[in-house]
Amino acid sequence: ILNVEQSPQSLHVQEGDSTNFTCSFPSSNFYALHWYRWETAKSPEALFVMTLNGDEKKKGRISATLNTKEGYSYLYIKGSQPEDSATYLCAFPGVMEYGNKLVFGAGTILRVKS
Amino acid sequence: DGGITQSPKYLFRKEGQNVTLSCEQNLNHDAMYWYRQDPGQGLRLIYYSQIVNDFQKGDIAEGYSVSREKKESFPLTVTSAQKNPTAFYLCASSILRERNQPQHFGDGTRLSIL
Repeated sequence: ILNVEQSPQSLHVQEGDSTNFTCSFPSSNFYALHWYRWETAKSPEALFVMTLNGDEKKKGRISATLNTKEGYSYLYIKGSQPEDSATYLCAFPGVMEYGNKLVFGAGTILRVKS
Repeated sequence: DGGITQSPKYLFRKEGQNVTLSCEQNLNHDAMYWYRQDPGQGLRLIYYSQIVNDFQKGDIAEGYSVSREKKESFPLTVTSAQKNPTAFYLCASSILRERNQPQHFGDGTRLSIL
């Protein structure tokens, strides 16, 4: 059974703080690692799909790194803003018997106070 | 704009009643998915479909049924056999068999017991 772990479970930061959180996944049979942002009352939105060891992707103030050998990915937010408040989910593609089957972590809830 | 539409936003079920959650997409995606979210847990896969008239059980299919008569539509029925249906339900779609392509989500349906 695939296990995807995210830490911390929740995080409260002040506006302007930089923050980061972790996603751990099985290091064997790696294909891709997905990050999603889920704001309250909205649908989850894809941030990054990472495929290469050592890969770093960036979208505005948000960036992510990937270590496939040790099975972890970090998501960084520089200068957090209240609009960054959301649940951040990572997901790992399961065995591809039928389609793109993702296994999700429980998420990291980020709250940014102004 | 292309996207996924879920309805209704809120749904109430009486004891012994079957209810159906609607999911429609106009992204021309072959693969569609249903997830359930419970507090403190990651998204768990209920059913998925990679092509019309075909679908597969996910990790928690008991008490649920689906159909895929049209590419655009993937309704989920929560049957009376599902003893703990209170949860948030998300529908998603993706390009078939591509693990490095993100999933696109609807806004979700919150189901409660009367």
